[in-house]
Amino acid sequence: AQSVTQLGSHVSVSEGALVLLRCNYSSSVPPYLFWYVQYPNQGLQLLLKYTTGATLVKGINGFEAEFKKSETSFHLTKPSAHMSDAAEYFCAVSDQGGAQKLVFGQGTRLTINP
Amino acid sequence: GAGVSQTPSNKVTEKGKYVELRCDPISGHTALYWYRQSLGQGPEFLIYFQGTGAADDSGLPNDRFFAVRPEGSVSTLKIQRTERGDSAVYLCASSLDSGEQYFGPGTRLTVT
Repeated sequence: AQSVTQLGSHVSVSEGALVLLRCNYSSSVPPYLFWYVQYPNQGLQLLLKYTTGATLVKGINGFEAEFKKSETSFHLTKPSAHMSDAAEYFCAVSDQGGAQKLVFGQGTRLTINP
Repeated sequence: GAGVSQTPSNKVTEKGKYVELRCDPISGHTALYWYRQSLGQGPEFLIYFQGTGAADDSGLPNDRFFAVRPEGSVSTLKIQRTERGDSAVYLCASSLDSGEQYFGPGTRLTVT
């Protein structure tokens, strides 16, 4: 069975500071990994995904994540936080990607302080 | 272009009643998924359709929950004899066979 653990249900950073949201996964097969963002009263939006190939993945809005197999991690980073980044972020895993169910972490609420 | 739409956006019902939640996927998407998101939690998988058939219904919590997709497009999630614990946001997503899942805004179900 697959599982995802997001360390820290709430993260608060100052505007312009580094954003780091942590995600560790468990999977018995090579995983496909995803980060989704959920703004208030909106649907989930895909930020980025790792399937195969390059382990550093760049996404929308300046976010990136690095797949580290040895650490079973897929942490999300952004060099400089903007006020508009305030949202809920979810890490997810699937075993074959595409038409397969996603297993989500519990989410991390990101707050940006002016 | 139109995204995934879900109706109603909010549904309040009494314990024991029957409810139907509707999902209209993106046109041409063959795969459709239902997830449930309880307060403070990440979405949990319920069921996945490939075309008209349920390819994986392992996430349905019990036999009060049922979903259909009769023509391979619109899907309806049906909950019988609702319980207060069914209160959650029900999310629908669709995708091409091997593509990204696009999520709808969800239906917030409240069982009183």
